[in-house]
Amino acid sequence: GIQVEQSPPDLILQEGANSTLRCNFSDSVNNLQWFHQNPWGQLINLFYIPSGTKQNGRLSATTVATERYSLLYISSSQTTDSGVYFCAVEQSGGGADGLTFGKGTHLIIQP
Amino acid sequence: DVKVTQSSRYLVKRTGEKVFLECVQDMDHENMFWYRQDPGLGLRLIYFSYDVKMKEKGDIPEGYSVSREKKERFSLILESASTNQTSMYLCASTDFLGTQYFGPGTRLLVL
Repeated sequence: GIQVEQSPPDLILQEGANSTLRCNFSDSVNNLQWFHQNPWGQLINLFYIPSGTKQNGRLSATTVATERYSLLYISSSQTTDSGVYFCAVEQSGGGADGLTFGKGTHLIIQP
Repeated sequence: DVKVTQSSRYLVKRTGEKVFLECVQDMDHENMFWYRQDPGLGLRLIYFSYDVKMKEKGDIPEGYSVSREKKERFSLILESASTNQTSMYLCASTDFLGTQYFGPGTRLLVL
């Protein structure tokens, strides 16, 4: 099956810093999503981004499908950004087959 | 807003018990999923369903079964709970694009 690798596995930053999280995948995909899991375990969908660039406030994401990677940018980090960020992909698209998740990037923002 | 709810946040069961985990979504989504999340292993797909009374095995279906009698409800069943099924269980549904929405999760401890 498709492999999803995220880097770095852990990241510790001071409040106000910027960060870039990377997701590499081993085959072509028609569905790619970024999620944030908060300390209570809730997974929140950040972006549906199989290709192109999207922005939502301090967060933005870019997927270069032809080169099989996606990047999540967090600017002006806040302590509430702490948690685990997951990239997940689906080869077929449409959401019917379930997602394959990377192992995540554990982000800690210190005040 | 999409809402996915799970019947319990925390559950403690004994080895050999039959366990039911319930999930309900309120957005008329056709596709629903059950994942488990374990440290170091990430999220893994157990079962999914693309319609009422339909079910498909995911990556790790052994020891589990599912039931989908109504479109909004997807149940995960542990026929005879074992200690290696101690985990965080996450239910999700997807919209027509494939954007996945998660419930808050159930932390199951099997003693």
